[in-house]
Amino acid sequence: GQNIDQPTEMTATEGAIVQINCTYQTSGFNGLFWYQQHAGEAPTFLSYNVLDGLEEKGRFSSFLSRSKGYSYLLLKELQMKDSASYLCAPSAFSGGYNKLIFGAGTRLAVHP
Amino acid sequence: SAVISQKPSRDICQRGTSLTIQCQVDSQVTMMFWYRQQPGQSLTLIATANQGSEATYESGFVIDKFPISRPNLTFSTLTVSNMSPEDSSIYLCSVELKTAINYGYTFGSGTRLTVV
Repeated sequence: GQNIDQPTEMTATEGAIVQINCTYQTSGFNGLFWYQQHAGEAPTFLSYNVLDGLEEKGRFSSFLSRSKGYSYLLLKELQMKDSASYLCAPSAFSGGYNKLIFGAGTRLAVHP
Repeated sequence: SAVISQKPSRDICQRGTSLTIQCQVDSQVTMMFWYRQQPGQSLTLIATANQGSEATYESGFVIDKFPISRPNLTFSTLTVSNMSPEDSSIYLCSVELKTAINYGYTFGSGTRLTVV
């Protein structure tokens, strides 16, 4: 089965740091993706973690603990354009192929 | 990364009719995925389309309602059949990309469907 949990909404101030947490229970777990989605647009790739630890990419970092079924996305030096939904998406291997299962998403509002 | 052309970008349809959505990829891909995103919600996987075999549907989705074609490695269609207002949603296709150094999923721009 699949169960993904992330906060529904978060707010933060421009220039600050925000951490978006995600817990998951995924059969056939094969890595975890984070996507950003602005209103009315398609999701865009942010990060992929398959091993435990922290992956840093500019202002965005993502962490994974496979044993705890836990990941977080860290956004630094927040900008107004970071206001978007952030989707936690574990990859599940089933039936001979991988597929992405999305959490409900976290709507982040960045204020001046 | 692959570029996906999805069309139509939006449509308004009468209930009881059907709409076929197309996705064209600029490179050959093994797996293509179709998602639905209802207003204010996240993405729900409808089915997975592997070239040369029947699509695999997720729980709650059936072939009669959402028939899928995958005639080759660069193209797929999703049909939303016998539409009702509850089918109003954004439909997105996605492809899995694997290279020696990269792994990920790319999405089409989506089809915004309104059923009246």
